Amino acid sequence: GAVVSQHPSRVICKSGTSVKIECRSLDFQATTMFWYRQFPKKSLMLMATSNEGSKATYEQGVEKDKFLINHASLTLSTLTVTSAHPEDSSFYICSARGGGSTYEQYFGPGTRLTVT
Amino acid sequence: GQNIDQPTEMTATEGAIVQINCTYQTSGFNGLFWYQQHAGEAPTFLSYNVLDGLEEKGRFSSFLSRSKGYSYLLLKELQMKDSASYLCAVVDSNYQLIWGAGTKLIIKP
Repeated sequence: GAVVSQHPSRVICKSGTSVKIECRSLDFQATTMFWYRQFPKKSLMLMATSNEGSKATYEQGVEKDKFLINHASLTLSTLTVTSAHPEDSSFYICSARGGGSTYEQYFGPGTRLTVT
Repeated sequence: GQNIDQPTEMTATEGAIVQINCTYQTSGFNGLFWYQQHAGEAPTFLSYNVLDGLEEKGRFSSFLSRSKGYSYLLLKELQMKDSASYLCAVVDSNYQLIWGAGTKLIIKP
């Protein structure tokens, strides 16, 4: 149980275009979803936390107008990278957490974004 | 501030035992996770400790001492597939995960 899918797994886009990444919890309801970014050989960097039906909470230094997060349902959250630039190239990972007392986050497989 | 420390890299031999340490200073404590991450993949859950002591799960064990702000992950009978990064993460008083930078474990034949 507790499977999280992420789509697409890889995407290459041109500079200036926008890219949408979907994160879905397949067999549980995710009250909270997290979006992370990871550069090569570096640890996870939390970008934002989103709760279903409310605005995402962004970490300091993360531009909310550039990284649009929508958590419209208990099983789907999307991250849109707007006007992408080469420096946005990275590995983006989502995770989801259900309700209850467990704080475990279930991770999606990640999306490798390359901006040319 | 909040801080989690773990070694950057460790090397061990196939079949041996290795211990990866993690020390933390956080605002509150609601548990500690260990995740495994292979290169280019997302992290996968290994263990969760919220009470002091040792939790054993097959070849992997995790230990926690809350008074010392210390945990370790113990890997026995190392296999080549255990080559990965191991991430320590603490749940703080706001129930957010605070991540360590990860320990890259290299297994040699």
